[in-house]
Amino acid sequence: QVQLVQSGAEVKKPGSSVKVSCKASGGTFSSYAISWVRQAPGQGLEWMGGIIPIFGTANYAQKFQGRVTITADESTSTAYMELSSLRSEDTAVYYCARVPYCSSTSCFGFDYWGQGTLVTVSS
Amino acid sequence: DIQMTQSPSSLSASVGDRVTITCRASQSISSYLNWYQQKPGKAPKLLIYAASSLQSGVPSRFSGSGSGTDFTLTISSLQPEDFATYYCQQSYSTVPFTFGPGTKVDIK
Repeated sequence: QVQLVQSGAEVKKPGSSVKVSCKASGGTFSSYAISWVRQAPGQGLEWMGGIIPIFGTANYAQKFQGRVTITADESTSTAYMELSSLRSEDTAVYYCARVPYCSSTSCFGFDYWGQGTLVTVSS
Repeated sequence: DIQMTQSPSSLSASVGDRVTITCRASQSISSYLNWYQQKPGKAPKLLIYAASSLQSGVPSRFSGSGSGTDFTLTISSLQPEDFATYYCQQSYSTVPFTFGPGTKVDIK
């Protein structure tokens, strides 16, 4: 049974950074892509970026380029998402999710999700 | 980026009703269309992938159809546990993956 367990809620000041972790168990961590998706209060789902741990290279949505860094540690089966220069609009629940299959250009849907991490940005 | 739209944005239905939600992509995405269900305070749950494939463990009252730019999620007989928000997502172009704005299904 695959499980993705995320780190706990965070309260951050504007201008600071936050790092959220996502620990995988029950599956082969390195072979699957991990994506990060956020959801602002009362809003929809927004893809931020993703990584395939075995390759180590991450892709990011243009909106977050330069502010987000996604990494993975194969030794602990943990993915990380760090968002810098936080502003109030970054207040959201951040999810990690597993992408079970990708061809060279396209993928299937996200089959397992973490429980979500609430990040609150407030002065 | 590929833009996704959904209609309606919300609907009210009764238990036992047949419910249909549509999703449209701004360009052809072949069959790389996924549907998720989200309940308040919970992570999204994958219902349908590749437009019409039922995710393991999902009840058969959920079905998906379509290809190219137009897609449909159908719930054949709405159950009390189906009241939720439904999102479509294209996974044809993976940078970025994009989601529809959601359709909220509530009790009539």
